[in-house]
Amino acid sequence: QKEVEQDPGPLSVPEGAIVSLNCTYSNSAFQYFMWYRQYSRKGPELLMYTYSSGNKEDGRFTAQVDKSSKYISLFIRDSQPSDSATYLCAMSGNTNAGKSTFGDGTTLTVKP
Amino acid sequence: NAGVTQTPKFQVLKTGQSMTLQCAQDMNHNSMYWYRQDPGMGLRLIYYSASEGTTDKGEVPNGYNVSRLNKREFSLRLESAAPSQTSVYFCASSERLNLPDTQYFGPGTRLTVL
Repeated sequence: QKEVEQDPGPLSVPEGAIVSLNCTYSNSAFQYFMWYRQYSRKGPELLMYTYSSGNKEDGRFTAQVDKSSKYISLFIRDSQPSDSATYLCAMSGNTNAGKSTFGDGTTLTVKP
Repeated sequence: NAGVTQTPKFQVLKTGQSMTLQCAQDMNHNSMYWYRQDPGMGLRLIYYSASEGTTDKGEVPNGYNVSRLNKREFSLRLESAAPSQTSVYFCASSERLNLPDTQYFGPGTRLTVL
């Protein structure tokens, strides 16, 4: 069983929809939770990261972490065609926190 | 400020050939990483270098070697390429290994082994 499982998608939504992207994990040592966005044929770029449980908001993006359920989510409000990309969750522990374990990614298409 | 650069962008090899993938960063980062990404899969860590002069194995190191040439450069070598090594290879860097710093990724090298 993988340490990090991500909803596989693909996901297709109309412009303006609220999008929910989700990951579950099994390693209780994970403390840092990241979301990366990867456009086609590009390298991933960090969208947001949170430490431990709670919510973090950045513009139209909200990251949620529920450590008791070992479940994290990324919400995108008022989705735009420019949000069309693959979204990767990633997690790491306190030790060697720069070494992250990645989910397989969810591909999102936002249709105008 | 170019960030993380990788060469080449594309490469086709025959089984058994060798090659070196080059990576350089200009952000004065201490830690550097090599990942591979296969279709429909996330990133898997091949090797990493916590700081200049050190390298360590990641999740999938077999068939690869690395060299941290200096603080800026981290190369990945395939000594005898196999079709299973067909993948997209990403280099990344971060300020330090023991902080969840932003990892900055390069644009990737698309490798096909026939």
